[in-house]
Order: sequence, then C-alpha cells, then structure tokens
Amino acid sequence: QSALTQPASVSGSPGQSITISCTGTSSDVGDYNYVSWYQQHPGKAPKLMIYDVSNRPSGVFNRFSGSKSGNTASLTISGLQAEDEADYYCCSYTSSNTLYYVFGTGTKVTVL
Amino acid sequence: QVQLVQSGAEVKKPGSSVKVSCKASGGTFSTYIISWVRQAPGQGFEWMGRIIPILGVTNYAQKFQGRVTITADKSTSTAYMELSSLRSEDTAVYYCARGDRGAWYFDPWGQGTLVTVSS
Repeated sequence: QSALTQPASVSGSPGQSITISCTGTSSDVGDYNYVSWYQQHPGKAPKLMIYDVSNRPSGVFNRFSGSKSGNTASLTISGLQAEDEADYYCCSYTSSNTLYYVFGTGTKVTVL
Repeated sequence: QVQLVQSGAEVKKPGSSVKVSCKASGGTFSTYIISWVRQAPGQGFEWMGRIIPILGVTNYAQKFQGRVTITADKSTSTAYMELSSLRSEDTAVYYCARGDRGAWYFDPWGQGTLVTVSS
C-alpha cells in the first residue's frame, strides 16, 4: 500500500487561494468519501481541518474547503494568511487488507 | 472537550521494547476508537493500529503485526501502545488519536511521544 501522492510544496501570497491535491487509487480516495486533511505546524501535533472529503469541524475557518474528483481529493485555502504556513497531510480509509488508513506524503505550504 | 495526554520521551536500545501511554479526559473513553500513528523524523505519517475499548477489539497494520500491542484500561481512560524488537528505523514521534465508530478521521491527537532507538 503506497502513500497518497501530494505535491511537496505549494506557495502563495497573503490573500491568494491555493489548492493542494491528494491522489490515491480506487481502493482508497476513489471509492470512499472518508478523506480527511490535517494541518501540522513545526513540533506540534496534527490538527483536523477537513473530514469526510468536505466537512469542516467547528472552529476551523471557512477559508478551508475540501473536494474530491475520482481518485484525487483537494484542499483549498482561500484568503491565505501567514498562520496558514504549515505542513498539510491528507488521509483516507483504505480497503487494503494490510491497514485501515493511508496518509499522504505531505505538502509544505509557504506564505510568501 | 476531549483531550489526549501522552507519556514522556523515551530512549531505548535496539532489540528492547517501549510502552507509550495515552490518557483521555473530557469524554466517554470506552466509546472511542484510539489509533496510534507514528511520524519518523522529517517524514509523513504511518497508521499502526487501533483499539475499540468498549469491545476490546484491536486491529493492526500488517507491517507491525506481531511487534505491536495496543491495550486500554477503561478504569483509568488510558490506552497503551507497546512496540517490541525495536530497531533504529522505529525512531519516531508516536501519536495517539481519537476516532469514533462511523467516523474515519482523527480528532483530537495527543501531543506526541518521541521514541529514540539508539545503541
């Protein structure tokens, strides 16, 4: 079971929108609406930003949104702010018989 | 509000075992699903396994089967992850994270426990 594929880095200026992709297979992202996204600042624990593809937990700003098309899920950050600079990881349930969850390779978001 | 607090950093010799704890507060522990996820230095995340305390059921990633044991003590709302036959590649931050039945995501996470395997 390979990790989900994310771009290594994405950057944008304050106020801009950026999108992070997360590509899996028909055994995970493509077949289940159980994609979640996590934000991790250096030395900190991950924080849930999106669950079930497009749902936002309470307390997460509506600048963060999620979607999915086929085997690729996406996280969009609108109105980029300095505090959004962090690593972002996607995660999906998988029907693999070797594990339940597979994570993405991670994307470093830089606010220019 | 659910909080997960983990035990402190550990330094272990190759071939030994480590046991990390994760104490929950602010909710009904027995109804949770507690997963353990690790992150090697500068790397991504790897799901290791989970426990459903109310059922006493565990599931492990095949990669760790036979080396990892996840348990839970409902009386103290604490979950444990024990990893044996440690090797240098097991050096990582180990996180516990809460899930729920029908909820295939993790929220919240513990603060993480650094386990260093070195001779």
